[in-house]
Amino acid sequence: QVQLVQSGAEVRKPGSSVKISCKASGGTFSSHAITWVRQAPGQGLDWVGGISPVFDTANYAAKFQGRVTLTADESTNTAYMELSSLRSEDTAVYYCARSTYYYGSGSYSWFDPWGQGTLVTVSS
Amino acid sequence: EKVMTQSPATLSVSPGERATLSCRASQSVGSNLAWYQQKPGQAPRLLIYDASTRATGIPDRFSGSMSGTEFTLTISSLQSDDFALYYCHQYNDWHLTFGGGTKVEIK
Repeated sequence: QVQLVQSGAEVRKPGSSVKISCKASGGTFSSHAITWVRQAPGQGLDWVGGISPVFDTANYAAKFQGRVTLTADESTNTAYMELSSLRSEDTAVYYCARSTYYYGSGSYSWFDPWGQGTLVTVSS
Repeated sequence: EKVMTQSPATLSVSPGERATLSCRASQSVGSNLAWYQQKPGQAPRLLIYDASTRATGIPDRFSGSMSGTEFTLTISSLQSDDFALYYCHQYNDWHLTFGGGTKVEIK
């Protein structure tokens, strides 16, 4: 059974970048997609974007477009999310989750399983 | 962007009672809707997908239904482990969106 294991907490200064990882343990990405979801302190869930390694496709939510880059390394079953031009409002827990990407419709499925989350703190 | 509106924001229920959570889509999402449970300090856990299919290992006291753009998560008899936050999530297209969440608390 696949588990997603994320990298540890990060602290960054405003204006800098952060890159966090999500590794599939006990399995592979196979034909699945990896999506990223942000949760600010005490807030709800916000979709950041998703990547399908097999279709070499990445999609980004409008509010993150231009600041986020999703990549995946199929050889190590690891996905990455890089967020640049960090500001204090980016302080949040970032989750990765496995999904399925439907190339024909360009849509994703439900998210399961989820990684444990990575806390990113942006502070001067 | 499809807006998902969950109600109520907080639901106070006694153990053993039924809980009914609602999620309304601003436009059609078909049956492309999932429900997740989140406990403090934990990642969300998938409960229901495709509006009414229980995920693997989810007890049958959890059920999902839909009527047009209205979706319902029902917990038939609340257990102590069920007091948590619940989110709906539409995946009708790649502009994925979540509802704001419903907190189920002990009455």
